[in-house]
Amino acid sequence: NAGVTQTPKFQVLKTGQSMTLQCAQDMNHEYMSWYRQDPGMGLRLIHYSVGAGITDQGEVPNGYNVSRSTTEDFPLRLLSAAPSQTSVYFCASSYRGRNIQYFGAGTRLSVL
Amino acid sequence: AQTVTQSQPEMSVQEAETVTLSCTYDTSESDYYLFWYKQPPSRQMILVIRQEAYKQQNATENRFSVNFQKAAKSFSLKISDSQLGDAAMYFCAYLEYGNKLVFGAGTILRVKS
Repeated sequence: NAGVTQTPKFQVLKTGQSMTLQCAQDMNHEYMSWYRQDPGMGLRLIHYSVGAGITDQGEVPNGYNVSRSTTEDFPLRLLSAAPSQTSVYFCASSYRGRNIQYFGAGTRLSVL
Repeated sequence: AQTVTQSQPEMSVQEAETVTLSCTYDTSESDYYLFWYKQPPSRQMILVIRQEAYKQQNATENRFSVNFQKAAKSFSLKISDSQLGDAAMYFCAYLEYGNKLVFGAGTILRVKS
């Protein structure tokens, strides 16, 4: 059972480049979320989804795009990377109505 | 919006001793969930303990226990018999409706041998 899988683990981008952070879960969880972790600020919610075809914004959505075409996958897209998006990104998933969230191993992103 | 505050950026404890990490939160809800997550240098987020607000009894998981004071909106984590493997960043988190977590800024715990 793989749980929540994030790829890549590390990425370096130049300002203005685009890329997609991948997140996949094999637990048939309805809820999926993306968080970013910055020093001194804990984790903050970027976008979340309560099921396939349904997404919504979190606390810090600007500069990011998401879609959820399947239950298993929830990719996060950076349309035009900025240095302010240098961070560690976590994907998480959970069952609807349950409260334990399972986290991926994270992606460390640097934007130069 | 709910907020979570961890007022201790860093704490130290001697191996085998007990340490308490503080957390306060702000909410107008009466039924909610609170969590403590551990993040070791590997970066993995590990669930330590959770508390359901409608339960009066404080949650316990082996050497980890909480002191949940609902009226004071306080949720502290006590680690007994501290071990070197307990050294990590600890996050307090509040679960909002929709399974969205609101995290505190974190407390770095150092364990001295």
